Amino acid sequence: RKEVEQDPGPFNVPEGATVAFNCTYSNSASQSFFWYRQDCRKEPKLLMSVYSSGNEDGRFTAQLNRASQYISLLIRDSKLSDSATYLCVVSGGYQKVTFGTGTKLQVIP
Amino acid sequence: EAQVTQNPRYLITVTGKKLTVTCSQNMNHEYMSWYRQDPGLGLRQIYYSMNVEATDKGDVPEGYKVSRKEKRNFPLILESPSPNQTSLYFCASSLTGQRREFFGPGTRLTVL
Repeated sequence: RKEVEQDPGPFNVPEGATVAFNCTYSNSASQSFFWYRQDCRKEPKLLMSVYSSGNEDGRFTAQLNRASQYISLLIRDSKLSDSATYLCVVSGGYQKVTFGTGTKLQVIP
Repeated sequence: EAQVTQNPRYLITVTGKKLTVTCSQNMNHEYMSWYRQDPGLGLRQIYYSMNVEATDKGDVPEGYKVSRKEKRNFPLILESPSPNQTSLYFCASSLTGQRREFFGPGTRLTVL
């Protein structure tokens, strides 16, 4: 089983739609969780950290479920500019960082 | 401007010809790391460094070397590149204790 698993997609959604991605992780000792965004052939950029209590940043909401070992990202009112690959990142401490392979989102006019 | 820089951005080389990819950050970050990104495999950590003179292997260190003589620089060395090292390479840095990593723009390496 991969340490971090994501559905590769692509998710093709119309503008204005709500879309959700899940990411599962295998190491129950994992401590930190993040979502990064990566545009085609560009470097990954931090979208948001993920906390147990859940956190929201505008149209984006991230959730962590430690019992089931998954994190989620919800995007409301999708924009064309949201089209990108979303990477789930799990860290077990300062050293060990594991990236998921990414979920591709395409928002369609 | 706070940033991570990598050079070169693109490189085509031949098997066995030693090369170095430089990485530099101006944010005074202690932690730096190198990743490679391949289709279907995602980003995989090659090496990381907690601070000057402190480096350690990531998930895929074979065929690579690194050094950390100064806080701002973390070069990646391929002593004898092979075609399976053709990939997109990213350098990243962060403050120790914060796992938010800032990535460089990437180096696309092709080994013929």
